[in-house]
Formats: sequence, structure tokens, C-alpha cells
Amino acid sequence: GEDVEQSLFLSVREGDSSVINCTYTDSSSTYLYWYKQEPGAGLQLLTYIFSNMDMKQDQRLTVLLNKKDKHLSLRIADTQTGDSAIYFCAETLVGGYNKLIFGAGTRLAVHP
Amino acid sequence: DGGITQSPKYLFRKEGQNVTLSCEQNLNHDAMYWYRQDPGQGLRLIYYSQIVNDFQKGDIAEGYSVSREKKESFPLTVTSAQKNPTAFYLCASSIRQGVEKLFFGSGTQLSVL
Repeated sequence: GEDVEQSLFLSVREGDSSVINCTYTDSSSTYLYWYKQEPGAGLQLLTYIFSNMDMKQDQRLTVLLNKKDKHLSLRIADTQTGDSAIYFCAETLVGGYNKLIFGAGTRLAVHP
Repeated sequence: DGGITQSPKYLFRKEGQNVTLSCEQNLNHDAMYWYRQDPGQGLRLIYYSQIVNDFQKGDIAEGYSVSREKKESFPLTVTSAQKNPTAFYLCASSIRQGVEKLFFGSGTQLSVL
């Protein structure tokens, strides 16, 4: 079945690392994504990883993929107040068109 | 600058009324999408269109209608048949190149009076 699950809330101190976790169910996923949504705005693609990769790093962002456990994580190093937002995990299911399945989103709160 | 424009930002619907949400993009993207976002839930796909004059139902199409007469435009009508329309509506577009990179508009908050 199609399901992407995330914890709903994470609170971290400014300067610490944040780790946002996601589990997905469909092993045929080709790409997995992390999107960021700031209040009252649309989603912005942060990064993505191809399903045959284990890790991808992009400046302060590190994505880890464990295909065996169907677990995806996003690590934000040196978290800043501007990182406060909702982070959505999503997977692409291969079908008639590449359908994106989104998780419910993790709200990241960064405090001083 | 290229992007996706949604309007209005806030919209109020009276009972029995149809309302139309606008979505325009100048990114030259072929594919366009409408998602509904409810608090604490992921995005749910309402309709999508891969090319002009063609569109398909998503997971929650009942009570909604769309058209795709121009590549740049993909308006969504919330009909009176949609009994629970209060939500944040997001339009997106993408260029189909394997990786499904969606570009989102800033959304429309629809509320019922």
C-alpha cells in the first residue's frame, strides 16, 4: 500500500543538529524527497535521493536512506531559526505517471 | 522571474456556491497539479494534468472540477458538492524528467462562511 509516515513535531536548540525521520511502505519507490513549507506558503523542494543511493549531502543537509528498513532521514547541521518550518517527506511511485505520496509533515521548532 | 501564481490568497465560500481558484505558471512546465492540505495531514492529490486539454482525477476528486485550456493555466473549481471544502489548496507544476521536481504556488486558504 501507499503510506509515508513522519513524526509530527521536533524541537531543537539553535546550533544543534536536527534529524527528521520518515518511513515509507512502497519498495518500488524510485526517488524520495524532502520538501520544506514555511507558514502560509507553498512547498519548496530541499533535496531528493535516488533509491539506489544510501546517502546524499548538500551543504548543511544530509539525507540517509535505508532501503531494507524503508527509512529516510534528513539531518540539518547547525540548525538556525530560519529552519523552523514543516518538513515533508515524499516518495515517487512508478505508474501511469510518477505519483508523489507525501507524509503528514514534521513541524521543526528551533529555539534559542 | 518564473514561478507559479495562485490567487486569491484567501477565499470564502457561501453554502451552495461554486468558487474557482486560479493557478498560472510561466515555467513552461507541461504537468500541473492541485493538492489539498488539511492540518496534520499530508498533501492529497485532487487533479493533475500532463498536457493541455487533458487531465485526470487524483485521490480526492469528488466535488472538484478543473480545466486545462492553456499550458500556463490550471484553474480549480470547488463545487457545492464538496461538503467539506475548508482547506489550504496548493497548485504545483513540474517538468517531467524522471525526478519529479514539483514547484509550488503560495496556496489559497478556502473557508466556508
